[in-house]
Amino acid sequence: GAVVSQHPSWVICKSGTSVKIECRSLDFQATTMFWYRQFPKQSLMLMATSNEGSKATYEQGVEKDKFLINHASLTLSTLTVTSAHPEDSSFYICSARAGQGFTFYYEQYFGPGTRLTVT
Amino acid sequence: KQEVTQIPAALSVPEGENLVLNCSFTDSAIYNLQWFRQDPGKGLTSLLLIQSSQREQTSGRLNASLDKSSGRSTLYIAASQPGDSATYLCAVGDGNKLVFGAGTILRVKS
Repeated sequence: GAVVSQHPSWVICKSGTSVKIECRSLDFQATTMFWYRQFPKQSLMLMATSNEGSKATYEQGVEKDKFLINHASLTLSTLTVTSAHPEDSSFYICSARAGQGFTFYYEQYFGPGTRLTVT
Repeated sequence: KQEVTQIPAALSVPEGENLVLNCSFTDSAIYNLQWFRQDPGKGLTSLLLIQSSQREQTSGRLNASLDKSSGRSTLYIAASQPGDSATYLCAVGDGNKLVFGAGTILRVKS
């Protein structure tokens, strides 16, 4: 149980175009989803937190107009990188968490990641 | 702001050795701590989750301890195997978000 998928697993796009990454919780309802970015040989950095039906909360330094996050259902969140540039090339990982209210003890389940390369 | 540090940054050991990975965090007001494994180019595999009220968790050859007051956790791997080679990440949960350390790259030589 608690499986999270991401699609695509890798994508190459040209500079200036937009690309959408999907994150799905396959066997549970995810009240909250998180988007992380990982540069080579670095750790994961949280980009934003999204609650189903609400606007995402972005971490300091993350451009919300560039990284559009939608969490329209309890099983799907999308991250759209708009007007992508080579510096946006990275490994993007999502995670999903079930539960409502005090979710302090609920575990995050991670997707397999999406490798984005912007040429 | 919570900061998570992992030591060592890299470790190379012969097969069969027992080893310890260290994780320290600056703010002891945590709700849980989690250890993950990440293989190259892959996502995260959760290894152990320790709630703030717990002192340790065990799974097979893995044992993780938590000392909240001193801001430390250790991951003990017994009888290491080449298949254990990966990056091990420690993450601290504050009740909403996870803050990750930079990881320890482990190589177990056969």
